[in-house]
Amino acid sequence: QVQLVESGGGLVKPGGSLRLSCAASGFTFSDYYMSWIRQAPGKGLEWVSYISSSSSYTNYADSVKGRFTISRDNAKNSLYLQMNSLRAEDTAVYYCAREPSFAGSDYYFDYWGQGTLVTVSS
Amino acid sequence: QSALTQPASVSGSPGQSITISCTGTSSDVGGYNYVSWYQQHPGKAPKLMIYEVSNRPSGVSNRFSGSKSGNTASLTISGLQAEDEADYYCSSYTSSSTYVVFGGGTKLTVL
Repeated sequence: QVQLVESGGGLVKPGGSLRLSCAASGFTFSDYYMSWIRQAPGKGLEWVSYISSSSSYTNYADSVKGRFTISRDNAKNSLYLQMNSLRAEDTAVYYCAREPSFAGSDYYFDYWGQGTLVTVSS
Repeated sequence: QSALTQPASVSGSPGQSITISCTGTSSDVGGYNYVSWYQQHPGKAPKLMIYEVSNRPSGVSNRFSGSKSGNTASLTISGLQAEDEADYYCSSYTSSSTYVVFGGGTKLTVL
């Protein structure tokens, strides 16, 4: 069965860095577009970034552009999010999520991980 | 402020039907058939309920249905059950620089 397991969250000071990981299993990871989506405490969902199956294409929300970098290692079935220059407003649960089509964009997400909490505070 | 507008809350009694609206613009909801809906119970990850306006993934009850008219999409839940109590989020492709936009979420209370 499809599983996505995030890790790497924690408490970090403003201006600091953190790297999130998402371990995928139960499907051919290299065939699918993947995204990071976040949810601030008590707030709604916000799409953060996506990466194509072969890493050829990436895109970012304006709120994180220039600070966050998405990447993937298909050999390790893993997705990453490198977060630099963190701000208090980046505090959220970060989910990795899969788009369902083979090597394409569907603009919706059929599987989500359980999320990892990132807290940015001094 | 979210890109898509949803009511903050809706409620209904068991067995009734409710509809949640999701209003966008011609750059997102109105311009493309890439509207999806997610259900989220407290402390849990979102679950896909509807994709491409009106399609249900396998395993999702046929009590859930989706539609769209102009710049507004809707999620209807018929025969309300206690387990339907959750937060619901709409989402759409957008032709702006953002890839996908979400609504602010609607809290459904089953009375």
